[in-house]
Amino acid sequence: NAGVTQTPKFRVLKTGQSMTLLCAQDMNHEYMYWYRQDPGMGLRLIHYSVGEGTTAKGEVPDGYNVSRLKKQNFLLGLESAAPSQTSVYFCASSPGASGRTDTQYFGPGTRLTVL
Amino acid sequence: GQNIDQPTEMTATEGAIVQINCTYQTSGFNGLFWYQQHAGEAPTFLSYNVLDGLEEKGRFSSFLSRSKGYSYLLLKELQMKDSASYLCAVTPNNRKLIWGLGTSLAVNP
Repeated sequence: NAGVTQTPKFRVLKTGQSMTLLCAQDMNHEYMYWYRQDPGMGLRLIHYSVGEGTTAKGEVPDGYNVSRLKKQNFLLGLESAAPSQTSVYFCASSPGASGRTDTQYFGPGTRLTVL
Repeated sequence: GQNIDQPTEMTATEGAIVQINCTYQTSGFNGLFWYQQHAGEAPTFLSYNVLDGLEEKGRFSSFLSRSKGYSYLLLKELQMKDSASYLCAVTPNNRKLIWGLGTSLAVNP
């Protein structure tokens, strides 16, 4: 099993450009998450999904949109990139959201720079 | 509010034992996780505690005291490859994980 994969691994954007980050998992997990990680800020939840066709806002959702059309995929979109969105983005999945089933498995990350 | 506190940085010597503490204040408690994150890599799951006491897994052990809102991760026989950040995370009652900022551990020869 590949686990959680993310594409692309690196990307440089200019301010105002748009892009989509793709996350895929082959563990049949119900829950999927998008985080950003910045120095001194830790992991911050952007959006999450509790199942196919559902999405919900996390701690820092502004400037991002998500979609979960298929259970195995979770897409994160930036409509108009800003320098403040320069970060490392991690996707994660978990079987559930209670107790041990909340164990999250992370993808390798996408390093995004917005100039 | 909900809060998790961990030391920012720690240093230890190869072969030694180190204890990384985590204290939390949350609305309810449904489990505590420890993750390891090497520089430039993704977090990986280390341990899960929901009951008080010590859980041992090889060189790593994790302890929980729910009444004190306290946990620690114990790393024995330290190796250079243990140099990483260690993240504490708590699940409040059926809500999203709350993450600590992590403790950066440097293991010196």
